[in-house]
Amino acid sequence: AQRVTQPEKLLSVFKGAPVELKCNYSYSGSPELFWYVQYSRQRLQLLLRHISRESIKGFTADLNKGETSFHLKKPFAQEEDSAMYYCALKTGGNTPLVFGKGTRLSVIA
Amino acid sequence: DAGVIQSPRHEVTEMGQEVTLRCKPISGHDYLFWYRQTMMRGLELLIYFNNNVPIDDSGMPEDRFSAKMPNASFSTLKIQPSEPRDSAVYFCASRQGTIYEQYFGPGTRLTVT
Repeated sequence: AQRVTQPEKLLSVFKGAPVELKCNYSYSGSPELFWYVQYSRQRLQLLLRHISRESIKGFTADLNKGETSFHLKKPFAQEEDSAMYYCALKTGGNTPLVFGKGTRLSVIA
Repeated sequence: DAGVIQSPRHEVTEMGQEVTLRCKPISGHDYLFWYRQTMMRGLELLIYFNNNVPIDDSGMPEDRFSAKMPNASFSTLKIQPSEPRDSAVYFCASRQGTIYEQYFGPGTRLTVT
């Protein structure tokens, strides 16, 4: 079965420090991977997807098929990055997203 | 566009009562998803529809849960009877076709006492 694992429930970093939110997936085919973010009192919104290979708000994520990972990285954390981050997997065109349990990022001033 | 609309935003009810959550997807979107968010389980897919037809309801926890989509602009998730363990945030999301992103509603926070 397809599964997404985010090993950290909570990650605290200081402002200006690098951030890495881990995501591993289990799927034998060609996956589509996404990161969604939920800021306080806001709805979930797409942060980035691996096929677009772009940097959003300074965040990047590279799909590593060998390690089945899609870690989210940012070189210098900002206080406004504090939020809940969800990694999600899509295994086919008409399938829904399968989400990990999420990681709460707290950036300390 | 107001995005995906959910109502109510908050619902507090007593155990045994019927609860109905409502969702209006983005106009033109042909997929609709219901998710449940809890601290322990994160975001779980309950059911999803394509062109108003339920495609996969394997995530619906029990027969107490039911969902309908009578037309392209409205869906309901009903819990009858409700139990305290149903307390969670319920999200509705919609998507256009198969290649675009899922857009989420603001969620309904359900508390069953």
